[in-house]
Amino acid sequence: GNSVTQMEGPVTLSEEAFLTINCTYTATGYPSLFWYVQYPGEGLQLLLKATKADDKGSNKGFEATYRKETTSFHLEKGSVQVSDSAVYFCALSDPFQGGSEKLVFGKGTKLTVNP
Amino acid sequence: NAGVTQTPKFRVLKTGQSMTLLCAQDMNHEYMYWYRQDPGMGLRLIHYSVGEGTTAKGEVPDGYNVSRLKKQNFLLGLESAAPSQTSVYFCASRQRTGRSYEQYFGPGTRLTVT
Repeated sequence: GNSVTQMEGPVTLSEEAFLTINCTYTATGYPSLFWYVQYPGEGLQLLLKATKADDKGSNKGFEATYRKETTSFHLEKGSVQVSDSAVYFCALSDPFQGGSEKLVFGKGTKLTVNP
Repeated sequence: NAGVTQTPKFRVLKTGQSMTLLCAQDMNHEYMYWYRQDPGMGLRLIHYSVGEGTTAKGEVPDGYNVSRLKKQNFLLGLESAAPSQTSVYFCASRQRTGRSYEQYFGPGTRLTVT
């Protein structure tokens, strides 16, 4: 079945540090890939997405590239801010297995950025 | 637009009590979902609905029931609450068409069962 594996946290960085959160996936078809972010006390919101191989999703300084050859979708940001402190979830939607209507989530990675 | 709203925000139940969580969306979305979030477990799908009057089981449906009588509302029921159902519950919705598959989430309901 489909699955998503994220690097375990928590991750603690200083402001302006470089961020990488690793995400790899297993899927039988051609999934769409997502990063969601959850700020403290809130629901999840979409951060970025990529729907086919080699696509790069980007938003708010975050980027992730859909790598089919390594089945990866790593999240990166060149210079993190305190306001980026949140939990980040990698997710996939596979139209060929499980139905395109469902998302499969990773377990989440908590990021704390210190001033 | 209010987006996705959830009622209540917090609730404490005793074992064996029942309750209903309400999710409402004003985006005219066809699909709606109920998830639970537990530490170290990510989000797990409880039930979902692809349209008014239809529901389907997700990954962890036992102990929960749902109903989708109106397109804008999706109700999650606990008939006899158990401590294992202590969790944060999130509702989400998305439109049917389009390849973006973005789900819009509500703010969550924190439920404690003692």
